[in-house]
Amino acid sequence: DIQMTQSPSSLSASVGDRVTISCRASESISSYLNWYQQKPGKAPMLLIYAASTLQSGVPSRFSASGSGTDFTLTISSLQPEDFATYYCQGSYSVTFGQGTRLEIK
Amino acid sequence: QVQLVESGGGVVQPGGSLRLSCAASGFTFSSNGMNWVRQAPGKGLEWVAFIRYDGSNKYYVDSVKGRFTISRDNLKNTLYLQMNSLRAEDTAVYYCAKDNYETTGYYYVFDYWGQGTLVTVSS
Repeated sequence: DIQMTQSPSSLSASVGDRVTISCRASESISSYLNWYQQKPGKAPMLLIYAASTLQSGVPSRFSASGSGTDFTLTISSLQPEDFATYYCQGSYSVTFGQGTRLEIK
Repeated sequence: QVQLVESGGGVVQPGGSLRLSCAASGFTFSSNGMNWVRQAPGKGLEWVAFIRYDGSNKYYVDSVKGRFTISRDNLKNTLYLQMNSLRAEDTAVYYCAKDNYETTGYYYVFDYWGQGTLVTVSS
């Protein structure tokens, strides 16, 4: 099975900061990588699919890149509503990373 | 707008059974693959099962193979998950999630999710 590992597991940042979350696959998954945001008590929401394509309706401060085994999600200027948990997911093996909790500093 | 509404969760004893339902609206249900994804309390996300738009193919995570069955009724726009031989480790919120193959060309891109239904397996 292909494993997905995110780093860091948690992150503290301030409104306006630029943050980057990493996701590494245990073997190459080409561009079969998606990113989700989940707020407490809510269902996840798709942010990015195919490694770098922004889902319709998602603010442009979210971007992502990568291919093969290494991927990143970047939020260019954190807004209060962005504090949440972020998951990467390989759509080749249907496995999720363990999540990155983004907290207010 | 797309809506997915799960139901059927509850408390069940180990070894028991439960059937979850997911009522879909706002899109052409019969043209889209569907998934179940679960989240144990305080834990991360785990994909559980997928069914193709016409029910012709079904796939499961290893831990539920032989115990869970995914199915759909395209006339009723409803997705199901029959869960048998339940274990404590099946305790989770179960989400139904629409597959975005039509747009992305990839399976297992979950573009819409329901609000989830909690399944608790406990004696």
